Amino acid sequence: DAKTTQPPSMDCAEGRAANLPCNHSTISGNEYVYWYRQIHSQGPQYIIHGLKNNETNEMASLIITEDRKSSTLILPHATLRDTAVYYCIVRPDNAGNMLTFGGGTRLMVKP
Amino acid sequence: GAVVSQHPSWVICKSGTSVKIECRSLDFQATTMFWYRQFPKQSLMLMATSNEGSKATYEQGVEKDKFLINHASLTLSTLTVTSAHPEDSSFYICSARAPPNEQFFGPGTRLTVL
Repeated sequence: DAKTTQPPSMDCAEGRAANLPCNHSTISGNEYVYWYRQIHSQGPQYIIHGLKNNETNEMASLIITEDRKSSTLILPHATLRDTAVYYCIVRPDNAGNMLTFGGGTRLMVKP
Repeated sequence: GAVVSQHPSWVICKSGTSVKIECRSLDFQATTMFWYRQFPKQSLMLMATSNEGSKATYEQGVEKDKFLINHASLTLSTLTVTSAHPEDSSFYICSARAPPNEQFFGPGTRLTVL
């Protein structure tokens, strides 16, 4: 799996958009970008994934740069319950293999 | 999404005893399950890949005789920590692979070895 680089921590005001960056400059053409989050003392929760097009679901939006070397996860209206560690992971979608977790970004949403 | 459960959610045991953790896929069949370990303030580290009906594949540095994995059915994998010691205290998380290639995580089991 390609390595990813994320800032260790970020703060966000409640109700504002949280923009979490991820660098994956060595990503291969067949690798997808996945985002998971882990709320304290819980298992990771899937958020979203994409290959090269921007994606949006009920939880978040994923913006992938044209060269695919970086991406941004956007939580449009952060709430206190979004406080968690967010992990950006790249892997081939057809691999069915384990997910390799990096350090992630600890997002603190503040009132 | 699919649901994965773990039991127990937490366990405290004495040093030298063995502890079994169960991971179940509740509404789908999982031919592959993964076991992770997470120490405080650290990321998840893959311990082993559990395949139904065959031996588990362990990551480098993980003792297969200490962490016994059994995947006897398509909905159940178990991790047994044998002769547990305080350094085995950790948060153990399983995930199950659902077709075609999604992964769903359990809520985790916190093991404390006294």
